[in-house]
Amino acid sequence: GAVVSQHPSWVICKSGTSVKIECRSLDFQATTMFWYRQFPKQSLMLMATSNEGSKATYEQGVEKDKFLINHASLTLSTLTVTSAHPEDSSFYICSAREDLPNYGYTFGSGTRLTVV
Amino acid sequence: AQSVTQPDIHITVSEGASLELRCNYSYGATPYLFWYVQSPGQGLQLLLKYFSGDTLVQGIKGFEAEFKRSQSSFNLRKPSVHWSDAAEYFCAVAAENTPLVFGKGTRLSVIA
Repeated sequence: GAVVSQHPSWVICKSGTSVKIECRSLDFQATTMFWYRQFPKQSLMLMATSNEGSKATYEQGVEKDKFLINHASLTLSTLTVTSAHPEDSSFYICSAREDLPNYGYTFGSGTRLTVV
Repeated sequence: AQSVTQPDIHITVSEGASLELRCNYSYGATPYLFWYVQSPGQGLQLLLKYFSGDTLVQGIKGFEAEFKRSQSSFNLRKPSVHWSDAAEYFCAVAAENTPLVFGKGTRLSVIA
């Protein structure tokens, strides 16, 4: 089945630094990927939709300058948290959509970000 | 706009007992419907999905779900729960080429 690899699994960074998270579709091409944020004991909150070769579409309330998304190829999307602060600490999960005939959404294993 | 309701925040069942997790959706047409499972600190694993055709869908790990258009429901079932099924379960809906919209999730606890 479809596999999505997300790295790193966890990262600790100092306040004010930037962190990049990678999301790769390993066995299919994904023109569209999604980035979610999940707070403890809550559901997934969609942050943005990442389209290969074009600008990401951000959900209302998500700062595009803080959460930079790049989808430079059909198998890779990256999320960069810029100038991270403790309130950015969270669990970030990516998802890649596979088109027909195997239409579906496959998720990475998530990244636990802790900003100290 | 699409929405998903999972009425049960937390369910506890005994090992070996049957399970039904409820999911209702709101959408103008027949959406694509999904059930995912999440273990603590992990990503989401697809259990099953429904696009069209037979309204009873079989998934992995012995799960099945039934699409009922008249009730706008897509409930997840398992005839006999195992302790390893304890996790968070998410129902999700999407239209073609749109992001998934998730319910708030149901946490399943399994007792001996």
